Amino acid sequence: SYVLTQPPSVSVAPGKTASITCGGNNIGSKTLHWYQQRPGQAPVVVISYDKDRPSGIPERFSGSNSGNTATLTISRVEAGDEADYYCQVWDSSNWLFGGGTKLTVL
Amino acid sequence: QVQLQESGPGLVKPSQTLSLTCSVSGDSRVGYYWGWIRQHPGKGLEWMGYIYYGGSTYYNPSLNSRVTISEDTSKNQFSLNLSSVTAADTAVYYCARGLPTFGPFDIWGQGTMVTVSS
Repeated sequence: SYVLTQPPSVSVAPGKTASITCGGNNIGSKTLHWYQQRPGQAPVVVISYDKDRPSGIPERFSGSNSGNTATLTISRVEAGDEADYYCQVWDSSNWLFGGGTKLTVL
Repeated sequence: QVQLQESGPGLVKPSQTLSLTCSVSGDSRVGYYWGWIRQHPGKGLEWMGYIYYGGSTYYNPSLNSRVTISEDTSKNQFSLNLSSVTAADTAVYYCARGLPTFGPFDIWGQGTMVTVSS
């Protein structure tokens, strides 16, 4: 079965850039979405279809997807970006989520 | 503005069937997928399945046919049944709207905690 691999944690100082990866075999051929989940809240989609920002998501959030790695990039990180981030793909008639990455803002 | 609200028992006994309902307000369910996603305590997200308006269903094969999702179009609701539950089914259960053509889940309910315990 298809596996999505995310680093468990990423730390970044305020104002810097955070990169969160999602690895999978030939993931660049799949449609991928990214979610942000703050503690105690439901997930919110921050990037859809690899690189599109839904309405209301700051321009600081961007995405890319190629080869075996998809990346969520958060520029000029703010304290409010501290959350868990999940990637999601469709494979073999099944929606799969990555294990999640906890972003800590130092 | 579309809103989703889960409802159902917060406590279910082992071996019984977990039943939850998601009420959709603010828009029609036509043209979208309506899904259930759960999150075990302190863990990641697990897609359980979804139903397309009109009744086509898709389920996570890892749930071994324990899942059934149905809809009540007259009430603008859809429901989740998970049979033969164990403690491993203790989780927060979310309902969510899925956009067509492999789109994301763009609107989520607040989630409801279900504990499986005798």
